[in-house]
Amino acid sequence: GIQVEQSPPDLILQEGANSTLRCNFSDSVNNLQWFHQNPWGQLINLFYIPSGTKQNGRLSATTVATERYSLLYISSSQTTDSGVYFCAVDYGGSQGNLIFGKGTKLSVKP
Amino acid sequence: SQTIHQWPATLVQPVGSPLSLECTVEGTSNPNLYWYRQAAGRGLQLLFYSVGIGQISSEVPQNLSASRPQDRQFILSSKKLLLSDSGFYLCAWSVLSNTQYFGPGTRLTVL
Repeated sequence: GIQVEQSPPDLILQEGANSTLRCNFSDSVNNLQWFHQNPWGQLINLFYIPSGTKQNGRLSATTVATERYSLLYISSSQTTDSGVYFCAVDYGGSQGNLIFGKGTKLSVKP
Repeated sequence: SQTIHQWPATLVQPVGSPLSLECTVEGTSNPNLYWYRQAAGRGLQLLFYSVGIGQISSEVPQNLSASRPQDRQFILSSKKLLLSDSGFYLCAWSVLSNTQYFGPGTRLTVL
């Protein structure tokens, strides 16, 4: 089946720093989503981005489908950005089922 | 607007006891519904999905089962829990094959 790999697995930043998270996938996908899991476990949708670039405040994402990767940019990081960031892909299998990467755990220090 | 509820929020159960977790969605009709499990180590694994009432598909063989008795209700069950069933269970919904939205989750500990 399709493989989804995220890097780095862990990231520690000082507040105000910028970061780039990467998601590689091994096959063509119908869609790709980025999520942020907060300390309480809630998965929050960040982007639905099968291709192209989107921006939402300090966050932006780019997916290059032909090269099978997606990037999540976090600028001017804040302590509330801490948590685990997941990339998930729908490879066109059964009914939009998502395959998740193992996530990047981000810790932003004040 | 659409909302998704899960209960209970946390649950501690002995090995061998039954399980019933409930998920309900408001504000949408005929959604696709999903059950995921997140074990230690962060990855999420799809357990079941449903495209309509009474229609359940399983992605992995396991000790669990799912049912969809109503359009916006999805239930995860077990007759006898195992230690390995411990984890964080998340329900999600989507319309067609579009963006998935997740509920708050149920944290299950089997002792």
